[in-house]
Amino acid sequence: QKEVEQDPGPLSVPEGAIVSLNCTYSNSAFQYFMWYRQYSRKGPELLMYTYSSGNKEDGRFTAQVDKSSKYISLFIRDSQPSDSATYLCAITPRGATNKLIFGTGTLLAVQP
Amino acid sequence: NAGVMQNPRHLVRRRGQEARLRCSPMKGHSHVYWYRQLPEEGLKFMVYLQKENIIDESGMPKERFSAEFPKEGPSILRIQQVVRGDSAAYFCASSGLGQIPYEQYFGPGTRLTVT
Repeated sequence: QKEVEQDPGPLSVPEGAIVSLNCTYSNSAFQYFMWYRQYSRKGPELLMYTYSSGNKEDGRFTAQVDKSSKYISLFIRDSQPSDSATYLCAITPRGATNKLIFGTGTLLAVQP
Repeated sequence: NAGVMQNPRHLVRRRGQEARLRCSPMKGHSHVYWYRQLPEEGLKFMVYLQKENIIDESGMPKERFSAEFPKEGPSILRIQQVVRGDSAAYFCASSGLGQIPYEQYFGPGTRLTVT
């Protein structure tokens, strides 16, 4: 079983839609939870991070963590064509917070 | 205010040759990480270095791969006697002292093709 599971998509939505991206993880000892965005042929860029259960909002983006279910989500409101990218969830193990464990990424296409 | 720099961006090597990938961290950053991204797979952690020290190499293949981050100059990921399975995108990330440890800034990657 992979430590982090993520639906690879692709996910195609019309402009303005609400997008929901999800990951599940297997080890309850994971400590920090991040979302990265990666445009084609580029390096990943950090979007959001959190370490506790609940929601964290930043503009059009909301990160949600449910530690009891080992489930993390990223919601994008009012999606734009410029949001088209691969979204990667990443988790750090407790005691090794410099080591990111990534999901395989979900490819998102926002159609104008 | 340059970000993380990697070179070369593209590297082609024949089987059996050596590949050297370079990474210059962001200004002021002293922690460097290397990740590998294989086709259809996510990024996989390889190694974490600070200046002149390897902190965690739990993701490095046992043979042919080595990494260093000297006191002066860029970090180097070295792959000896490359094989076709080494073809991948290799990303370097950096973070600074005192920063939240997981706030890693990634470079654009080096795409290695082994023919």
